[in-house]
Amino acid sequence: QVQLQESGPGLVKPSQTLSLTCSVSGGSISSDGNYWTWIRQHPGKGLEWIGFISYSGNPYSNPSLKSRITISLDTSNNQFSLKLSSVTAADTAVYYCARRVRSTYYFDSWGQGTLLTVSS
Amino acid sequence: QSALTQPASVSGSPGQSITISCTGSSSDVGAYDYVSWYQHHPGKAPKLMIYDVTNRPSGVSNRFSGSKSDNTASLTISGLQAEDEADYYCSSYASGSTLYVFGTGTKVTVL
Repeated sequence: QVQLQESGPGLVKPSQTLSLTCSVSGGSISSDGNYWTWIRQHPGKGLEWIGFISYSGNPYSNPSLKSRITISLDTSNNQFSLKLSSVTAADTAVYYCARRVRSTYYFDSWGQGTLLTVSS
Repeated sequence: QSALTQPASVSGSPGQSITISCTGSSSDVGAYDYVSWYQHHPGKAPKLMIYDVTNRPSGVSNRFSGSKSDNTASLTISGLQAEDEADYYCSSYASGSTLYVFGTGTKVTVL
């Protein structure tokens, strides 16, 4: 089973671009059929699907965030990343990375999450 | 795409059974048999408990079971144990551009 671990700055100022990284161990990020996903949880709220990038580098994002999102692969470090531009306080959340396997519709491995706070 | 609706909290005594509902629409829960459930102990990684409505991953206790009727899915925990105290989230594949929707979350308390 793969293991995932998020990392990020913890605090970002409004209007800046946040950058988060998910390190994957126990398997290659470019292994056929893996879809690497970002999910977030606003304080006291439920989960929100942000988007994913495929093992071959094809991204897909939640339309509500699409214009601000970049998801990319870093195969040399076995990581994938999320960049979210023009952040506001509404982007304050715990951000999780997770894996979905092709032809399945669930997330079988998750990271522990990293809290990102947007504040001046 | 709106979030799936779950009760905010459910409680039960050890040994009892509880059921958590997850209500969506004909665009998500009602349209596909792709409902999954996740257990989340705060500070830890969420854990997949049920997938495709009724299936349990290897290693998940058979005290956990899932079902679905129309636009509502349910997770039942039988023989409630102290370790089951956690937050539970449902998720469904959805039609349209937002491919996945999650539930609002349910806090399970073991009395």
